[in-house]
Amino acid sequence: DTAVSQTPKYLVTQMGNDKSIKCEQNLGHDTMYWYKQDSKKFLKIMFSYNNKELIINETVPNRFSPKSPDKAHLNLHINSLELGDSAVYFCASSQALDPFTDTQYFGPGTRLTVL
Amino acid sequence: TQLLEQSPQFLSIQEGENLTVYCNSSSVFSSLQWYRQEPGEGPVLLVTVVTGGEVKKLKRLTFQFGDARKDSSLHITAAQTGDTGLYLCAGVEKGSGAGSYQLTFGKGTKLSVIP
Repeated sequence: DTAVSQTPKYLVTQMGNDKSIKCEQNLGHDTMYWYKQDSKKFLKIMFSYNNKELIINETVPNRFSPKSPDKAHLNLHINSLELGDSAVYFCASSQALDPFTDTQYFGPGTRLTVL
Repeated sequence: TQLLEQSPQFLSIQEGENLTVYCNSSSVFSSLQWYRQEPGEGPVLLVTVVTGGEVKKLKRLTFQFGDARKDSSLHITAAQTGDTGLYLCAGVEKGSGAGSYQLTFGKGTKLSVIP
């Protein structure tokens, strides 16, 4: 059983398009995250949600809009895609907000390529 | 956001050799985590170290947190081909939202163990 799943696995699109990436976790966790990993493997937090509420919103262009319809889902919508948006996007989840007892479980990633 | 430097960036060794990778910061972290990421997959948590000077062992892997909680090391004894992967350290720091935390990742050490 997949704990954190993302769709699609690969996404190739033209500059200027709007696209969405979906994430679902079946672990019953309260907190979900989106990370971006660039071509140099640098992994950086973008957003986190706790019980469907936005907790962390790092310096991310407002073309990126996360949406959490329920605790088990955190989707990422990107408007007006740019070349620099090409990266692997990882969703993750954890039980709560305690870093000392929690483990963040990562999804398999979505490789976005903007042409 | 605090920065984490990992070294070396790339490491290629023969099976059976020992190795150490390092994670350094000029700032103090409340705790530090090590992850291993395989190609096409998300990072998987290996260990969390919390106390300055703490040493944790997972089979052939030994993790150490510096006394000042600014640096950490991962030592692998008698490396195996299955150890091949990207090793990421992540510092735990307070997030922008109340009661939240976030992970700040280093850029990783790409380890290749050659048979």
